[in-house]
Amino acid sequence: DAEITQSPRHKITETGRQVTLACHQTWNHNNMFWYRQDLGHGLRLIHYSYGVHDTNKGEVSDGYSVSRSNTEDLPLTLESAASSQTSVYFCASSESGGDTEAFFGQGTRLTVV
Amino acid sequence: AQKVTQAQTEISVVEKEDVTLDCVYETRDTTYYLFWYKQPPSGELVFLIRRNSFDEQNEISGRYSWNFQKSTSSFNFTITASQVVDSAVYFCALSERGRDDKIIFGKGTRLHILP
Repeated sequence: DAEITQSPRHKITETGRQVTLACHQTWNHNNMFWYRQDLGHGLRLIHYSYGVHDTNKGEVSDGYSVSRSNTEDLPLTLESAASSQTSVYFCASSESGGDTEAFFGQGTRLTVV
Repeated sequence: AQKVTQAQTEISVVEKEDVTLDCVYETRDTTYYLFWYKQPPSGELVFLIRRNSFDEQNEISGRYSWNFQKSTSSFNFTITASQVVDSAVYFCALSERGRDDKIIFGKGTRLHILP
């Protein structure tokens, strides 16, 4: 069965370190998204991609970057982790066209100390 | 710009009561898609329904029903005869076709079903 997986599921890192969260999907979807979930803010879009070599900034992109070198993967990098980036991160994918639901990974809980 | 508002931050009802979760959206597009997702205490996001802007027919799935009204830009979700297992955070979301495929979420409504 097709799926979308995130790794690691939990991570603790120190302020200032670079961190990369992995997202891998086997749906062969063109669209991939990264969201962060914080209490009181719901799910906020960080970055998204509509295909290989395409990346776009979402509403909370500062301090994050992504790259899309193949269809299956969209890693999220925190260039220099900050305590404000402590959050739960969700990766999602969907078919092109906007008319299909997004499938979500299990989430990664990141703590920056 | 697209926007989704879920004004109810948290709702508590007693089991077997009916409960309606409100969702109001803003979009400049005539073609768009609305979604509801459920996030149970275990944390995963579960897709519930998708509705496109040309289909205003209400939908019922078991104890769940959805009322889409373009005139008021609302897409409300009702749970009939609520059960403890319905306790979760519920998110309403919107994507616009023609501009891009990104899905924008509301802040969610945390629903507590009390036994």
